Amino acid sequence: EAAVTQSPRNKVAVTGGKVTLSCNQTNNHNNMYWYRQDTGHGLRLIHYSYGAGSTEKGDIPDGYKASRPSQENFSLILELATPSQTSVYFCASGQDWGGGDTQYFGPGTRLLVL
Amino acid sequence: GDSVTQTEGLVTVTEGLPVKLNCTYQTTYLTIAFFWYVQYLNEAPQVLLKSSTDNKRTEHQGFHATLHKSSSSFHLQKSSAQLSDSALYYCALNQGGSAKLIFGEGTKLTVSS
Repeated sequence: EAAVTQSPRNKVAVTGGKVTLSCNQTNNHNNMYWYRQDTGHGLRLIHYSYGAGSTEKGDIPDGYKASRPSQENFSLILELATPSQTSVYFCASGQDWGGGDTQYFGPGTRLLVL
Repeated sequence: GDSVTQTEGLVTVTEGLPVKLNCTYQTTYLTIAFFWYVQYLNEAPQVLLKSSTDNKRTEHQGFHATLHKSSSSFHLQKSSAQLSDSALYYCALNQGGSAKLIFGEGTKLTVSS
């Protein structure tokens, strides 16, 4: 079974502060992803990566940066957090099964920006 | 651009009755794969079904879906809903050659006794 972990699981931040969300996967998957989940919007892709050293913009990258220092780790960085970034953030890693990339999700991080 | 549409935001069904969650899509790619993800309360989304073969039925955990490229659909069905099936269900599309998934907005399924 794929294993993706996230830290912290819950975070309270102040407006204008810097927030770093971390993700680790132990499955040697090449691809990793960051999503946010909000009621009425489903899962929206923020950034993703094809491997160590690579980051790509997803559908809603504004206000977020990403870092992939190794195969196992993928971070999401909010340099200047805003209340609109209050959400649940999911990290996922992906494995191509020959018919598409199956993504395995971490447990999520609840972020509250005050 | 490519998109996935789940027309029902909320579906309520009585335990033991059949359930169908609709999923249609628009894409310009020929090689595509489809997924249904399920998310139980306070848990992470997890893959339920996946398929890339036209007109082939895929089954898992009592659920089934068939990709129909002729009608651009990948509906999820179960013949007898269980209370434990109550969850949020996402349909998703993976374009050929891309690592990205395009998700629908999700359908919340509530099974009542």
